[in-house]
Amino acid sequence: NAGVTQTPKFQVLKTGQSMTLQCAQDMNHNSMYWYRQDPGMGLRLIYYSASEGTTDKGEVPNGYNVSRLNKREFSLRLESAAPSQTSVYFCASSEVPGFRTGEHEQYFGPGTRLTVT
Amino acid sequence: GESVGLHLPTLSVQEGDNSIINCAYSNSASDYFIWYKQESGKGPQFIIDIRSNMDKRQGQRVTVLLNKTVKHLSLQIAATQPGDSAVYFCAEKGSMGSASYGKLTFGQGTILTVHP
Repeated sequence: NAGVTQTPKFQVLKTGQSMTLQCAQDMNHNSMYWYRQDPGMGLRLIYYSASEGTTDKGEVPNGYNVSRLNKREFSLRLESAAPSQTSVYFCASSEVPGFRTGEHEQYFGPGTRLTVT
Repeated sequence: GESVGLHLPTLSVQEGDNSIINCAYSNSASDYFIWYKQESGKGPQFIIDIRSNMDKRQGQRVTVLLNKTVKHLSLQIAATQPGDSAVYFCAEKGSMGSASYGKLTFGQGTILTVHP
């Protein structure tokens, strides 16, 4: 049971290049999330997928697209990278709705550190 | 807009002391509040959560207190250990029926440093 895995771990892009960040979970969770974390800040939600076949925008969706390929996989695409997208990207998964205490755990991957020059 | 924030960006304690990390929130409609721990180079890890109709919840060496009157959340860590050194984030979960249902809004984080 690997939990949440992300690839790649590190990536350097030039402005205007595109790339896809991959995320997979083996916990049979319905919901998956993409966050970005900038220095000195908490995580901000980019996109999420409440269940297979659905995606929705989070707090900072501009410049990104997502695909919920199947229940296990949720990818994040940068079509034309910009320096402002330099960040650490975290994928997470969880069971929702989580009616009881202790059920609000989102399991996070190790992160992808992206630099756009 | 709604936000979750922290009072103290850094906290240094001696090993064995108790630590208290504070968080202010503004969205009264959130139904759960959660604490996460993030060690250097890793993703956040769930610590404990509390429902909005509770005042206190205890886990292993940790206690979360919720004061809805002043919209304040705190995490108490007993007998703090060097392994507790990390960034701690509070987060709030959007209530059922709200546009933010199921989504977490994170605060900025507090850096806890435990000196041996």
